[in-house]
Amino acid sequence: NAGVTQTPKFQVLKTGQSMTLQCAQDMNHNSMYWYRQDPGMGLRLIYYSASEGTTDKGEVPNGYNVSRLNKREFSLRLESAAPSQTSVYFCASSGNFRGQPQHFGDGTRLSIL
Amino acid sequence: AQTVTQSQPEMSVQEAETVTLSCTYDTSESDYYLFWYKQPPSRQMILVIRQEAYKQQNATENRFSVNFQKAAKSFSLKISDSQLGDAAMYFCAYRSSGGANNLFFGTGTRLTVIP
Repeated sequence: NAGVTQTPKFQVLKTGQSMTLQCAQDMNHNSMYWYRQDPGMGLRLIYYSASEGTTDKGEVPNGYNVSRLNKREFSLRLESAAPSQTSVYFCASSGNFRGQPQHFGDGTRLSIL
Repeated sequence: AQTVTQSQPEMSVQEAETVTLSCTYDTSESDYYLFWYKQPPSRQMILVIRQEAYKQQNATENRFSVNFQKAAKSFSLKISDSQLGDAAMYFCAYRSSGGANNLFFGTGTRLTVIP
């Protein structure tokens, strides 16, 4: 089925380790987003990419970097993981409605010890 | 900064009955968008309904409708003829109509549907 695919679905890291979360969409959407979801809170925007080749900071960008590799792929990197980054991460995309995610991935549950 | 408040952490409804989820927001802007998203246990977020602030008519999508009260900054979601598949977390969200590409989410309401 068409949609947004995130890998991995689960990951455990040690403090200081680095890793990259992968996201790909096959709907030819221009805009892609990375959110984090913490218990008792709504989703918060980390970074977004309005179009291929552009990225912008969202509400909580510190400790993260992103790469919009091509129109399909938008990756999120943690250079030096911290326990405060333990969260569920969602990638999303949108076509017609800039700023409004239409399709979400299944999420990546990331635990940092 | 915009804030979105969902004052009901949990709600329950009998199957086939109607339930209303509340959402209020704080903004100084006159033009904006409001959304309701559903997050079932599978975790994937699903857009349920969208409302433009400049439209007076309340949005409707099948069994889902909203009551948008702009002056009161209220945006409630009504689910009619509730089904077991409606059980999920529901998030209200706000977005400015300007250049900002950020959605502000509420903390969510967990809806249980009782058979």
